[in-house]
Amino acid sequence: KAGVTQTPRYLIKTRGQQVTLSCSPISGHRSVSWYQQTPGQGLQFLFEYFSETQRNKGNFPGRFSGRQFSNSRSEMNVSTLELGDSALYLCASSLSGEGYGYTFGSGTRLTVV
Amino acid sequence: GEDVEQSLFLSVREGDSSVINCTYTDSSSTYLYWYKQEPGAGLQLLTYIFSNMDMKQDQRLTVLLNKKDKHLSLRIADTQTGDSAIYFCAESGGNNRLAFGKGNQVVVIP
Repeated sequence: KAGVTQTPRYLIKTRGQQVTLSCSPISGHRSVSWYQQTPGQGLQFLFEYFSETQRNKGNFPGRFSGRQFSNSRSEMNVSTLELGDSALYLCASSLSGEGYGYTFGSGTRLTVV
Repeated sequence: GEDVEQSLFLSVREGDSSVINCTYTDSSSTYLYWYKQEPGAGLQLLTYIFSNMDMKQDQRLTVLLNKKDKHLSLRIADTQTGDSAIYFCAESGGNNRLAFGKGNQVVVIP
């Protein structure tokens, strides 16, 4: 079966712009989580969506937002980009949010210049 | 809160065993995990252990959990060059989020 698909794979944006990243989960998976990976902070939880509802949110500013559609696909948006937002953004899907069932995508590498 | 600590770097000769260690702080963690990340790739779940277990073996992988000391380890037997990667331990409680360590880079020397 197809894995978790994240698009685009690479992105370069300018400070102050906004960006939208997409994640298509494994078919049948209803939970999608997003993580930010940076060399300094490591892997940090952004948010989790289940059945179009945000269930959990990490400690990120309001510039980071997300949503989930009825087909479980999810998008995350970062507005007013800062240099520190440069990171690998990973999404993971699972049937209902159980950690042992997570499958991660390959990530979107965002560079802010 | 959740806090997971890992050492940073390990080099090992091909065929030897590798041991990666991790400590965590959240005693309410339900599951503990080991993930592998190869260059340019996402995270691959290697194995996980339920918090009421002491040990789990899965082919070349052995996970040991010392809940009293909040210490988790991963042993890779007969390490291969394909095992070169960054290894992350992670924990989760009941809130459907993973807290990761900073990762441990393993370099396998042929």
